[in-house]
Amino acid sequence: EAQVTQNPRYLITVTGKKLTVTCSQNMNHEYMSWYRQDPGLGLRQIYYSMNVEVTDKGDVPEGYKVSRKEKRNFPLILESPSPNQTSLYFCASRLGLQETQYFGPGTRLLVL
Amino acid sequence: QKEVEQNSGPLSVPEGAIASLNCTYSDRVSQSFFWYRQYSGKSPELIMSIYSNGDKEDGRFTAQLNKASQYVSLLIRDSQPSDSATYLCASHYSGYSTLTFGKGTMLLVSP
Repeated sequence: EAQVTQNPRYLITVTGKKLTVTCSQNMNHEYMSWYRQDPGLGLRQIYYSMNVEVTDKGDVPEGYKVSRKEKRNFPLILESPSPNQTSLYFCASRLGLQETQYFGPGTRLLVL
Repeated sequence: QKEVEQNSGPLSVPEGAIASLNCTYSDRVSQSFFWYRQYSGKSPELIMSIYSNGDKEDGRFTAQLNKASQYVSLLIRDSQPSDSATYLCASHYSGYSTLTFGKGTMLLVSP
């Protein structure tokens, strides 16, 4: 089944404790993105990647890191999480610029 | 600044009615437009994509694009309570590698 997977789905952590949210797609897609979604603010892009080893900042990159060492994987790293990073996070992928974008199931993060 | 604007709603319609969701975008070189449906706490799922002026129909859904007016809409015929969700409009701007999303319109379909 073609899909985007994320892990973990739910995470409670404390301020300053490094964490990684994994994202993987099995559709051989070139483009991958990370979004956060907050009430009243909609979906905001954190980082995106056009291909292996090619990444760029989105609208809200501060406090986040990404890497794209393999085409299928695009992990999101929070080196020192803070409470304002409490949010619902989505990974997404698409084959080309004008192609349909598919979303993962989401990761709900709470930073205490 | 590339922007996609949507009325946040909620838009309330009775079961069986036509729901009309609207979206405007700020850049005339936008090439691709997408409508996503998102249930509370779930991930967005694609409803329709549209690339050229005019109407595109898929079952109970019709997407309409007017590039001159920078306007895209989604019509849902015979609305069902299961259509109650937030609908996100997204645009791909030429020369950019990302999609720009509106904040979404909440649709409520009452039985």
